[in-house]
Amino acid sequence: SQQGEEDPQALSIQEGENATMNCSYKTSINNLQWYRQNSGRGLVHLILIRSNEREKHSGRLRVTLDTSKKSSSLLITASRAADTASYFCATTTGFQKLVFGTGTRLLVSP
Amino acid sequence: SAVISQKPSRDICQRGTSLTIQCQVDSQVTMMFWYRQQPGQSLTLIATANQGSEATYESGFVIDKFPISRPNLTFSTLTVSNMSPEDSSIYLCSVSRGLAGGPSTDTQYFGPGTRLTVL
Repeated sequence: SQQGEEDPQALSIQEGENATMNCSYKTSINNLQWYRQNSGRGLVHLILIRSNEREKHSGRLRVTLDTSKKSSSLLITASRAADTASYFCATTTGFQKLVFGTGTRLLVSP
Repeated sequence: SAVISQKPSRDICQRGTSLTIQCQVDSQVTMMFWYRQQPGQSLTLIATANQGSEATYESGFVIDKFPISRPNLTFSTLTVSNMSPEDSSIYLCSVSRGLAGGPSTDTQYFGPGTRLTVL
């Protein structure tokens, strides 16, 4: 399977703390994206980082990409209870086909 | 972004029956995708649906089991045929935002999903 791996599988933190999730993938990519899924519903696109970029920010989100290690990380700063969700990385190799990672379940407690 | 709706939002079906899931987009898009998310798992691409051509299926998925229609640039259906309990999943459609005839972006926008339970 070409599916990427994410770790940790589950993460439990307190509000205000930072949450870091890691994603590893197997093949060369055009870009890598992060999505959030609340309670088994549809996915919300968070951020896209291209293969020639190393870091990208969007609000409280910071994404890094290391193509030499085929890995990416998502940092959520100052987490809130509303950030509780599953987070997936997804890579694109061509033709807009997404290959999703295994996901990280984040629980942020008040 | 694109606004995507799916019908039904959930259903409980009997083994051996079929269910057709509809996906409606608020604007014309070139590419639409269907994914399956089995319980507690990640998403797996079933097929890519382009208007005016046959859907392209991923390894492990076949047209007889998951027939897809794409009659126009804003609508698609996925049928789950001859269902078994192993088909119990969330089925999601997504679009790659791009005007018909033009390049699509890599960002995909997802519908709310259809939660299917097969007894």
